[in-house]
Amino acid sequence: KAGVTQTPRYLIKTRGQQVTLSCSPISGHRSVSWYQQTPGQGLQFLFEYFSETQRNKGNFPGRFSGRQFSNSRSEMNVSTLELGDSALYLCASSLNGYSGNTIYFGEGSWLTVV
Amino acid sequence: AQSVTQLGSHVSVSEGALVLLRCNYSSSVPPYLFWYVQYPNQGLQLLLKYTTGATLVKGINGFEAEFKKSETSFHLTKPSAHMSDAAEYFCAVSSAGANSKLTFGKGITLSVRP
Repeated sequence: KAGVTQTPRYLIKTRGQQVTLSCSPISGHRSVSWYQQTPGQGLQFLFEYFSETQRNKGNFPGRFSGRQFSNSRSEMNVSTLELGDSALYLCASSLNGYSGNTIYFGEGSWLTVV
Repeated sequence: AQSVTQLGSHVSVSEGALVLLRCNYSSSVPPYLFWYVQYPNQGLQLLLKYTTGATLVKGINGFEAEFKKSETSFHLTKPSAHMSDAAEYFCAVSSAGANSKLTFGKGITLSVRP
């Protein structure tokens, strides 16, 4: 079956702009999480959605937001982009978000802020 | 709070040699532990996970890891390295419950010499 799909794969934005990234989880998976990966900070948890509700949130400013739709697809938005937001953004899905679930990652969206 | 320590950022081995990547965790509750691999310009792929039960866990591509509670360790091993094993490896921890948040280590880059 199809894996976690993220779009777009690559994008370049200018400081001050906003960006929306999309994620389609594996069919049947209801939990979607987002992570930011940078060389300096490594992999950091942004937030998790389950049944259209944010269930868990990491330590990121309010400029980072997300949502989940009824079909479990998710989007994350970053407003007022800063240079430091340049990163690989990874989406992950699991069956119901419980810790024993296997978490599957997409290939990520590479965001460059100039 | 949970944390993961991966000592060293780079490990180099010869093809056919033993691979040993170290991971130590800190958790106030019984942990669930994971090893992921990331190839260049790709997302994360699960190698193996420990939830409960047998402490020696076998994963894909010949990798295995042993959960040692007394040492708070979950080291990853492979008896014989292949060139295709060259990648970045991440150890991660989560806790039980409706909390799929993964806390990752900084990652270790594995190089395999011919």
